[in-house]
Amino acid sequence: EDKVVQSPLSLVVHEGDTVTLNCSYEVTNFRSLLWYKQEKKAPTFLFMLTSSGIEKKSGRLSSILDKKELFSILNITATQTGDSAVYLCAVVIGYGGATNKLIFGTGTLLAVQP
Amino acid sequence: DVKVTQSSRYLVKRTGEKVFLECVQDMDHENMFWYRQDPGLGLRLIYFSYDVKMKEKGDIPEGYSVSREKKERFSLILESASTNQTSMYLCASSHPILYTADTQYFGPGTRLTVL
Repeated sequence: EDKVVQSPLSLVVHEGDTVTLNCSYEVTNFRSLLWYKQEKKAPTFLFMLTSSGIEKKSGRLSSILDKKELFSILNITATQTGDSAVYLCAVVIGYGGATNKLIFGTGTLLAVQP
Repeated sequence: DVKVTQSSRYLVKRTGEKVFLECVQDMDHENMFWYRQDPGLGLRLIYFSYDVKMKEKGDIPEGYSVSREKKERFSLILESASTNQTSMYLCASSHPILYTADTQYFGPGTRLTVL
């Protein structure tokens, strides 16, 4: 059975802290791994990772994939209260195009306190 | 920017009612998806469609049906709503070109409560 596991389930930090969110997976026909940020609305896309060892970066957020060990991490440096959200990891499986499917983890709830 | 809209943000229905959730995207995407999101269970795929009039069951299709008569519109139908269908429903779309297909863009969600 395909599965995606995120840890921790929730996290409380103070502004300025650095956090690392984890996503491990066991799937067949891996294509890519996606990170989303979800506040009180729809998930918004952060990163897509397809190759091991190549860091994707956007401002204070960065992410990397390890296809050998089957996990990804999402780092947030110098956290701000606006980073408070649920962070979702999703793995795309399939053979391309119409057959692709996303398997989501349950998310990590991050709360950044002032 | 990709825009995916859903017909209602909040909806309250009674057990046994027929419920329609509408989703519209304006980016000419072929692929469209319906998920439900529940605490502790994450997002689960109900149905998806990769072309007009085409549909495929996802992981939890029971109790739901879908309709895709036009490319931009994908409807989720609850034939006879039940209390265990109380959930947040999210629609998404994606374009099937190379890896772009992997990136799904989500609508704002519809929080459905079935009494």
